[in-house]
Amino acid sequence: QSALTQPPSASGSPGQSVTISCTGTSSDVGGYNYVSWYQQHPGKAPKLIIYEVTKRPSGVPDRFSGSKSGITASLSVSGLQAEDEADYFCSSYAGNYNLVFGGGTKLTVL
Amino acid sequence: EVQLVESGGGLVQPGGSLRLSCVAPESIFRSEWMNWVRQTPGKGLERVAGITGDGSEAYSVDSVKGRFTISRDNTKNSLFLQMNSLRAEDTATYYCTRGLRWNDYWGQGTLVTVSS
Repeated sequence: QSALTQPPSASGSPGQSVTISCTGTSSDVGGYNYVSWYQQHPGKAPKLIIYEVTKRPSGVPDRFSGSKSGITASLSVSGLQAEDEADYFCSSYAGNYNLVFGGGTKLTVL
Repeated sequence: EVQLVESGGGLVQPGGSLRLSCVAPESIFRSEWMNWVRQTPGKGLERVAGITGDGSEAYSVDSVKGRFTISRDNTKNSLFLQMNSLRAEDTATYYCTRGLRWNDYWGQGTLVTVSS
C-alpha cells in the first residue's frame, strides 16, 4: 500500500480538463511544499512534470499545473491531448531523507 | 537528452546477490543527491536508497536495511547498489534518479527478478 493515496483511474475527452488528487498526511504533503508529479508512458521511465507543488520543468507544457490544500495535492491537465494518456504519480518529501509516492493514476483520453 | 544509464539487473535466485550500476553525465552527477528507486506493478514506486553528493551520508528504506548498500564513485560519475540476500519481493525495475525532494532525472531502468 502506497503512502500517498491517488484514484486508480481518471478520464476525459480531448480538449477537456481533468484533475487528479493525491492525499497524504501532515507529515508529508501537509508538512512540506515539496510535492512533485511524474508522467509515465508504457515501457518508459517516469518523467518529472511538476515540482515544489506548482513549478514546471523546462519543456513541460503549461497545460499541466499543480496545487495543494492541506494534506491533498492536485494535478490538473487542461486541453487534454491524446499524448497525455499515461500513468501519473505524485510524490512528497516527508523529512529525514524520506520520499513517499502515490500508487499512480491511469489517465485515459477518451 | 540527458541520460542516466543503469546496468546489472537480471535473474537471481532468492538469497543471491546483484550489483547495480548507473553512469551519469558529470554535469548532473557531481555534488548531487542520487537515488535508487524501484517500481513494481503491485507496490508502485519506492525510493529504496539515497546518498549525498559527497557520499558521506546514505539513506535506505527499512525493508532493505542490512541487505542493500548504496555507494558512489565521483571520479567515474557512477552510482551503485549492492543487493544481498535478495527476496522475491525485491523483484522490480530499478531506476537511478537524481534529487532528494523530487527526482528530476531518471535512467531507463534495469529489471531485477528474484526467482528460483
